[in-house]
Amino acid sequence: DTAVSQTPKYLVTQMGNDKSIKCEQNLGHDTMYWYKQDSKKFLKIMFSYNNKELIINETVPNRFSPKSPDKAHLNLHINSLELGDSAVYFCASGSGANVLTFGAGSRLTVL
Amino acid sequence: AQSVTQLGSHVSVSEGALVLLRCNYSSSVPPYLFWYVQYPNQGLQLLLKYTTGATLVKGINGFEAEFKKSETSFHLTKPSAHMSDAAEYFCAVSPGATGNNRKLIWGLGTSLAVNP
Repeated sequence: DTAVSQTPKYLVTQMGNDKSIKCEQNLGHDTMYWYKQDSKKFLKIMFSYNNKELIINETVPNRFSPKSPDKAHLNLHINSLELGDSAVYFCASGSGANVLTFGAGSRLTVL
Repeated sequence: AQSVTQLGSHVSVSEGALVLLRCNYSSSVPPYLFWYVQYPNQGLQLLLKYTTGATLVKGINGFEAEFKKSETSFHLTKPSAHMSDAAEYFCAVSPGATGNNRKLIWGLGTSLAVNP
């Protein structure tokens, strides 16, 4: 069983489209995250939810909207995609002491 | 405020040689420190962590790191590199038990190449 699974693994889409990435964790963790990793491997936290409550909301365009229907799921919806949104998006879940378990990533390419 | 500096964005070693990846941090409170590894086309996974107690921590795949408070460092080492160690390595810090421990501060990563 995959601990943190995110779908789809690859997304190729046109500028201006809307897309979603889904994430599910079966570890029983209370906290989930979305990270963006650019082409230089730089990791930037975007959002974090603790038990369905938004606790971290970094400076991210409001075209990005996270949704957590329950503590095992954290989805990311992106409106009006731009070229600069091309990146790998990682979902993660966390236990105490900030130990994170990451998903395999969703590579988004905006053409 | 906290920050993490990884010295050297690219490190290249020969197979069998010592691996040393450097990480320095700044923190106004006792930190928790982490090393994560990212193999090509995969997510990150925890190599090892320091929270409290013994300052030399051992992780997976033969890696270890030593917390040196006086030097504000948490360098990652492995005595003998293996080809399979080629990956991106990230150092991270969080404020530990006294602060908001849900937000990790990440270094920019060090890409390790292992030559045959």
